[in-house]
Amino acid sequence: GAGVSQTPSNKVTEKGKYVELRCDPISGHTALYWYRQSLGQGPEFLIYFQGTGAADDSGLPNDRFFAVRPEGSVSTLKIQRTERGDSAVYLCASSLGSGGTSTDTQYFGPGTRLTVL
Amino acid sequence: AQSVSQHNHHVILSEAASLELGCNYSYGGTVNLFWYVQYPGQHLQLLLKYFSGDPLVKGIKGFEAEFIKSKFSFNLRKPSVQWSDTAEYFCAVKRLGSARQLTFGSGTQLTVLP
Repeated sequence: GAGVSQTPSNKVTEKGKYVELRCDPISGHTALYWYRQSLGQGPEFLIYFQGTGAADDSGLPNDRFFAVRPEGSVSTLKIQRTERGDSAVYLCASSLGSGGTSTDTQYFGPGTRLTVL
Repeated sequence: AQSVSQHNHHVILSEAASLELGCNYSYGGTVNLFWYVQYPGQHLQLLLKYFSGDPLVKGIKGFEAEFIKSKFSFNLRKPSVQWSDTAEYFCAVKRLGSARQLTFGSGTQLTVLP
């Protein structure tokens, strides 16, 4: 079946602008995660959804970042008043479950490369 | 805070050489452990995972990893690397409990010379 998809693959914006990044998880996966990967680093957790609700948003760096998953499938990460430091690859992952078993395995999408000029 | 350390940032090997990439984590409780690989121009792919049971885990493409609880380690091994193994390798840990996210190491870039 299809994997996790993310759009756009690349986004270039100007400082201060608003951006939306979309994630379409694997069909049937109830858990969805957003990570951010800066150059030379591993992915860092941003937010986790179980169904429609944000179960853990402790990784969001500040209140300019917000994510939604209104119908429990597609998720949108929203960044307001973008700053140059927001430039990174934003990764989405999904898993079938989240209960500490093999169904927890997270599968990653290709990412959106965000560049803030 | 939990951390994951990958001590080798860049490893260069010739084809047929043996590989071992180190991964250590700091969390003392029960964990799930993963190795992901990112080939050039591709997205992160799962290489292997450990949840419970046999601490020696076999993954795809001839890779294996051993969980040594007393050393908080989950090192990745392959007896004979190929040029196509050139990629970046990430170790990730998930602690069981309320947190569901993965904590990643900073990655190891493996270059295999033909």
